[in-house]
Amino acid sequence: SQQGEEDPQALSIQEGENATMNCSYKTSINNLQWYRQNSGRGLVHLILIRSNEREKHSGRLRVTLDTSKKSSSLLITASRAADTASYFCATNRNQGGKLIFGQGTELSVKP
Amino acid sequence: GAVVSQHPSRVICKSGTSVKIECRSLDFQATTMFWYRQFPKQSLMLMATSNEGSKATYEQGVEKDKFLINHASLTLSTLTVTSAHPEDSSFYICSARKGQGSTEAFFGQGTRLTVV
Repeated sequence: SQQGEEDPQALSIQEGENATMNCSYKTSINNLQWYRQNSGRGLVHLILIRSNEREKHSGRLRVTLDTSKKSSSLLITASRAADTASYFCATNRNQGGKLIFGQGTELSVKP
Repeated sequence: GAVVSQHPSRVICKSGTSVKIECRSLDFQATTMFWYRQFPKQSLMLMATSNEGSKATYEQGVEKDKFLINHASLTLSTLTVTSAHPEDSSFYICSARKGQGSTEAFFGQGTRLTVV
């Protein structure tokens, strides 16, 4: 399969808690990106981490990358009900822009 | 910011007919666009890479005669689902890359296709 794995497949938390999602991939990469998708909508780019980076922050988001384990994690701190969505990691093998998506994590944040 | 517009957002068609979906980059030129399909509760599967002025590159298992892709200008790519069947019902999403050196893709809003 061209896709990587994400876990958990579904995550339900209370507002204010942190949410951690993990992603594993199969091939060497140029960069890894995280996207968010609200139900039935397009994707919104959240953050990109390059293969030579180990950690990156953007607001309440923190992404880590471990190329030796071919894995990444996305942490959303102090979650809000509006964070409820599906989150996908996507890997880019070269600079061609072709993305291979993980299976996604469905996050539900209860108020 | 970069905007990609996809049209229509929803379409219902009868079995056997063809449907065209448009993907436009509104404020930048995109030499490369990508087409994905997504079944309910599943991830995005890359169908093909659309190159301006040349033939599209299809992923393994995607029928090029069924999913016709045309990228006639630097701002427009179209996907035509020919002789649609109910199993073609899906969410189709396009993305565009801003330039040769860009690693970020910008996504359209998606098209929900229902074949009845």
